[in-house]
Amino acid sequence: NAGVTQTPKFQVLKTGQSMTLQCAQDMNHEYMSWYRQDPGMGLRLIHYSVGAGITDQGEVPNGYNVSRSTTEDFPLRLLSAAPSQTSVYFCASILVAGGHREQFFGPGTRLTVL
Amino acid sequence: KNQVEQSPQSLIILEGKNCTLQCNYTVSPFSNLRWYKQDTGRGPVSLTIMTFSENTKSNGRYTATLDADTKQSSLHITASQLSDSASYICVVSAPYSGGGADGLTFGKGTHLIIQP
Repeated sequence: NAGVTQTPKFQVLKTGQSMTLQCAQDMNHEYMSWYRQDPGMGLRLIHYSVGAGITDQGEVPNGYNVSRSTTEDFPLRLLSAAPSQTSVYFCASILVAGGHREQFFGPGTRLTVL
Repeated sequence: KNQVEQSPQSLIILEGKNCTLQCNYTVSPFSNLRWYKQDTGRGPVSLTIMTFSENTKSNGRYTATLDADTKQSSLHITASQLSDSASYICVVSAPYSGGGADGLTFGKGTHLIIQP
């Protein structure tokens, strides 16, 4: 049981390049989310999904796309990278039970855009 | 607007000492409050969860308290160890709505450094 896995761990891009951050979970959770974490800002929600085929925007969605074709995978795409997207990205899988939610975070992807 | 404020922003204490981290929130309605520990270079890991009716919850040397009337929570660390060096994040959850945003409001965290 690997929990939540993310790849790559580190990535450097040039402005304008595109890439996909991968996220997978093996806990069969319906809910998954993507966050970015910046110094002094805390974790901010980019996009989330309540199940396969269903996604929605969070607080800071601009410049990012997501899709959810399976329960296990929730990739995050940067369409045209900008320096403002330099950040640490965390994927989370969420257990919803008894009206409560518990998030299980992946190890993160540290992205630098030059 | 729902907000979670944590204090202090950073804290340095000597190994073996105790410390208390604070979390004030304005989230309403309220479902639960979690404290997460985030080691450098890793994702956050849940330490405790507290619902409206709970005042205190312990996890080893970590004890969380909740005052739902004043909307305040604290995380007390007893007999600190070098491995306690991390960021501690307070997260307040609104009731599960089933279809809206994830209903979570994050604090910015307290960066704790334990010195030998």
